[in-house]
Amino acid sequence: QVHLVQSGAEVKKPGASVKVSCKASGYTFTGQYMHWVRQAPGQGLEWMGWIRPSNGDTNYSQRFQGRVTMTRDTSISTAYMELSRLRSDDTAMYYCARDYRELPQDFWGQGTLVTVSS
Amino acid sequence: EIVLTQSPGTLSLSPGERATLSCRASQSLSGSYLAWYQQNLGQAPRLLIYGASSRATGVPDRFSGSGSGTDFTLTISRLEPEDFAVYYCQQYVTSPRTFGQGTKVEIK
Repeated sequence: QVHLVQSGAEVKKPGASVKVSCKASGYTFTGQYMHWVRQAPGQGLEWMGWIRPSNGDTNYSQRFQGRVTMTRDTSISTAYMELSRLRSDDTAMYYCARDYRELPQDFWGQGTLVTVSS
Repeated sequence: EIVLTQSPGTLSLSPGERATLSCRASQSLSGSYLAWYQQNLGQAPRLLIYGASSRATGVPDRFSGSGSGTDFTLTISRLEPEDFAVYYCQQYVTSPRTFGQGTKVEIK
């Protein structure tokens, strides 16, 4: 049974960084791409990028280039998304979601709420 | 980047009625790499349709997807109470994987 369990809610000040984790179980972690998607309050979905857990390759949306870093630790089947130089408009729910073969983002984590406030 | 435009923004229907949601891409999606997701309030999105017309595992057959090129449709043949939610299309043919802005299906 596939599970993606994310870390808990965070409150950060503007200019700080946040690192969200996503622990995978129930499948071969290194076999599937992991994506990160965010959703501001009351807004739509925004794709941030992916990481290939097998080798650490990444592909980021230009919108977050220079501020986002996606990493993984294969020994504990966990993916991470770090966002730096936080602004108030980075306040959002952050989701991890895996691809599976030809299925895009077929399984999602429960989400991590990041609040940026002074 | 590919822009996806969904219409209508809100669909007001009664249980048992048919829902037709549209997603238009700013350029042709080769291979029909278009997915539909359902999101209920306070929950993570759920994959419904991939490859424009293939249902994901466990998705009821009242959900169907169609289309190719730039025009895609999600149809819910008879709305059940649990189908009242927000629906997003997403293209995954190229990076960034853009989403449409969403269509809310609400109870009339």
